[in-house]
Amino acid sequence: DAGVIQSPRHEVTEMGQEVTLRCKPISGHDYLFWYRQTMMRGLELLIYFNNNVPIDDSGMPEDRFSAKMPNASFSTLKIQPSEPRDSAVYFCASSSSPRSNTEAFFGQGTRLTVV
Amino acid sequence: TQLLEQSPQFLSIQEGENLTVYCNSSSVFSSLQWYRQEPGEGPVLLVTVVTGGEVKKLKRLTFQFGDARKDSSLHITAAQTGDTGLYLCAGGNNDMRFGAGTRLTVKP
Repeated sequence: DAGVIQSPRHEVTEMGQEVTLRCKPISGHDYLFWYRQTMMRGLELLIYFNNNVPIDDSGMPEDRFSAKMPNASFSTLKIQPSEPRDSAVYFCASSSSPRSNTEAFFGQGTRLTVV
Repeated sequence: TQLLEQSPQFLSIQEGENLTVYCNSSSVFSSLQWYRQEPGEGPVLLVTVVTGGEVKKLKRLTFQFGDARKDSSLHITAAQTGDTGLYLCAGGNNDMRFGAGTRLTVKP
């Protein structure tokens, strides 16, 4: 397996524009996590899915953020409208369990810059 | 508020020195994990500790899980420049949450 694949690797957009980040998890993993990483706040859990169903979205900062998982091999994180404070690295990870006794495999991240 | 508190936040040492970084919580975890993240990459798992008091060794890295399963430490012996990176602890009984990390720089 190629691992968790995220696209794009880098995204620069203007404030107010819609941004869509994409993730392909490892085949067979039932759990998919979206994280946001900044120097100030570290690695924050935004939302996670189990079998394509959102389980906990309490980390999603505002209604401008939404995430979907239409099938087991694809997930999106959308920001509409984007703001400069959304600038961060967004990671997707997949695992066979949500518990911390199971390895989470991370993608390389999408570095988002909103100007 | 971080569920997992890591200290120190930054650490800069010379090659060959020893160091210890810490991960603390007020919550009890069934297990804790340590990840290392290099620039431009996602975190990669180093170890999982499961039993209170457990000690695991990975070459020059020694991981310990506290007896009460609320804290963990990572000790590196004779640090090398290749150890430079962000060290993250993670825990979660129903989800996977991370501490803010310790950013380690090992200078030649």
